[in-house]
Amino acid sequence: GENVEQHPSTLSVQEGDSAVIKCTYSDSASNYFPWYKQELGKGPQLIIDIRSNVGEKKDQRIAVTLNKTAKHFSLHITETQPEDSAVYFCAATLVTSNTGKLIFGQGTTLQVKP
Amino acid sequence: DAGVIQSPRHEVTEMGQEVTLRCKPISGHNSLFWYRQTMMRGLELLIYFNNNVPIDDSGMPEDRFSAKMPNASFSTLKIQPSEPRDSAVYFCASSLRFKESEAFFGQGTRLTVV
Repeated sequence: GENVEQHPSTLSVQEGDSAVIKCTYSDSASNYFPWYKQELGKGPQLIIDIRSNVGEKKDQRIAVTLNKTAKHFSLHITETQPEDSAVYFCAATLVTSNTGKLIFGQGTTLQVKP
Repeated sequence: DAGVIQSPRHEVTEMGQEVTLRCKPISGHNSLFWYRQTMMRGLELLIYFNNNVPIDDSGMPEDRFSAKMPNASFSTLKIQPSEPRDSAVYFCASSLRFKESEAFFGQGTRLTVV
């Protein structure tokens, strides 16, 4: 089955700096890679996703890159703000017409210092 | 839409008691997932349903855990008997037929077994 490794487990940056979180996956058949943000006391919320036929996707200050050959994908947050402080999870799955269970990484606690 | 609704938000119970967690998915969504979150193991998928039918329950830790989805608008996760190591936050998520579709998470139920 799929296994997802996420690094680092904690990340502290100064406001305005960039933050990068990296994930690797084991199943080369996986074709969908979402990123979730979890704030204290809340459930995870999707912030960006990428599919295996795309190498990069950007949405304002966040971007995700995917390297299928190396089986890794990364989240990039530019111009970080204190409200970006949260736990971020990557996930991977093989989406078919009948299946699509998300396997999550261990999470990265991001702290943005004002 | 109110989003995915879970109840209760917090549950404290004594070891050996039966615990039932409830979930109301987003109307129209036909995939439902139960996850467990702990510091040690992160977000683990326990079971997921498509059109009320359990598709994969390989993540259910033991026979003490069971899940049902009697209709498209309601699901339960039951633990009987509960043990202290079951203490965790349990999340329910739903999506519109898991095919490249965002999974929306509820607020979670924090379970403490003493």
